[in-house]
Amino acid sequence: QSALTQPASVSGSPGQSITISCTGTSSDVGGYDFVSWYQQHPGRAPKLLIYEVSNRPSGISNRFSGSKSGNTASLTISGLQTEDEADYYCSSYTSSSGTHFVFGTVTKVSVL
Amino acid sequence: EVQLVESGGGLVQPGGSLRLSCAASGFTFSSYWMSWVRQAPGKGLEWVANIKEDGSESYYVDSVKGRFTISRDNAKNSLYLQMNSLRAEDTALYYCASEYGRAFDYWGQGTLVTVSS
Repeated sequence: QSALTQPASVSGSPGQSITISCTGTSSDVGGYDFVSWYQQHPGRAPKLLIYEVSNRPSGISNRFSGSKSGNTASLTISGLQTEDEADYYCSSYTSSSGTHFVFGTVTKVSVL
Repeated sequence: EVQLVESGGGLVQPGGSLRLSCAASGFTFSSYWMSWVRQAPGKGLEWVANIKEDGSESYYVDSVKGRFTISRDNAKNSLYLQMNSLRAEDTALYYCASEYGRAFDYWGQGTLVTVSS
């Protein structure tokens, strides 16, 4: 099971919007509406931002939104803030080779 | 307040064994699938294994199949990961996480496993 593909880095200025893509296959992203997104600050545990493609857990800002088209999911951060500078990961449920989940490669978000 | 507290990490030689534990509190542990997720130093997240609410099903990433065993004790609100035949590439921070909607909603702070001679 290969990792989902994310861009290595994305940057933006405060107040701007950025989008992080997450590309998989029909066995993971394209086959299930079980894509989730996580934010991780240095030295901290990951934090769930989005689950089931576009749902936000309680307490997560509506500046974070998710979507999916085919084998590619996306996380959009609007009104970029300095505290959004962090690592971001997508994850998908998968039916491949008896495993259950696969994560994406990391995307480092920089706020210029 | 949900809390997941991992323990049991440490330095182990290649080929050795280690048992990780995760103590859960603040939620109905027996009602949730639970996972182990690891992160090698400076690297990304990798899902390792998960187990059904009642322990009747478990799944693993290919690289640990046959070497790692996930288990749980709902009476003790605890999750475990027995790791055998450890390799250098198993060196990582191991997180315990609860599952919700096929996502990982709560995470512990992790326990570090270092495999080195």
